[in-house]
Amino acid sequence: SQQGEEDPQALSIQEGENATMNCSYKTSINNLQWYRQNSGRGLVHLILIRSNEREKHSGRLRVTLDTSKKSSSLLITASRAADTASYFCATVSGNTPLVFGKGTRLSVIA
Amino acid sequence: DGGITQSPKYLFRKEGQNVTLSCEQNLNHDAMYWYRQDPGQGLRLIYYSQIVNDFQKGDIAEGYSVSREKKESFPLTVTSAQKNPTAFYLCASSIPAGTGHSNYGYTFGSGTRLTVV
Repeated sequence: SQQGEEDPQALSIQEGENATMNCSYKTSINNLQWYRQNSGRGLVHLILIRSNEREKHSGRLRVTLDTSKKSSSLLITASRAADTASYFCATVSGNTPLVFGKGTRLSVIA
Repeated sequence: DGGITQSPKYLFRKEGQNVTLSCEQNLNHDAMYWYRQDPGQGLRLIYYSQIVNDFQKGDIAEGYSVSREKKESFPLTVTSAQKNPTAFYLCASSIPAGTGHSNYGYTFGSGTRLTVV
């Protein structure tokens, strides 16, 4: 079962612009995580936000969480060509493994 | 350096053949996971293990089998019963939620691409 749904499915921006990706989920969660996947590679953990947190920053990444709307957003500021990848949200509920969404494909054009 | 090693990177399977994908970690993580990824799709959970000699089915376990005889190793066998095995397989590990350390991310291997020929 897939809990998260990312929006948009694909996003194309110019280098230097900001990229915003959204994630909606269905059930209550312990935390929500964002991962990046370069083409043909494994996933890399970017950031984790707990259910009692509303916003978290890590470098050029900013994540928000609205548990009342069951949604999260990932903002990448001042994007670079190296940010080109697929981005996935994943949720943790209880003691069950991570459940992933289908991802957003981000293309940053130099 | 600590990490997860998946091998081989590419694997070709003939019809009716069983194949085994290797996953080894030296992170001292208790929990290990196998996910399947199809083109343009998210990850779907096949099997997971939170402790040695114990594992649970995920959402798409049919046609797959696993073992967890050592903490470091969690091999996945794709059996002939799996009718559509062509996919990208990802192994991951983490500190399991049950220990109270639930707020940790997963560490992923670099994946194995399996193709039926």
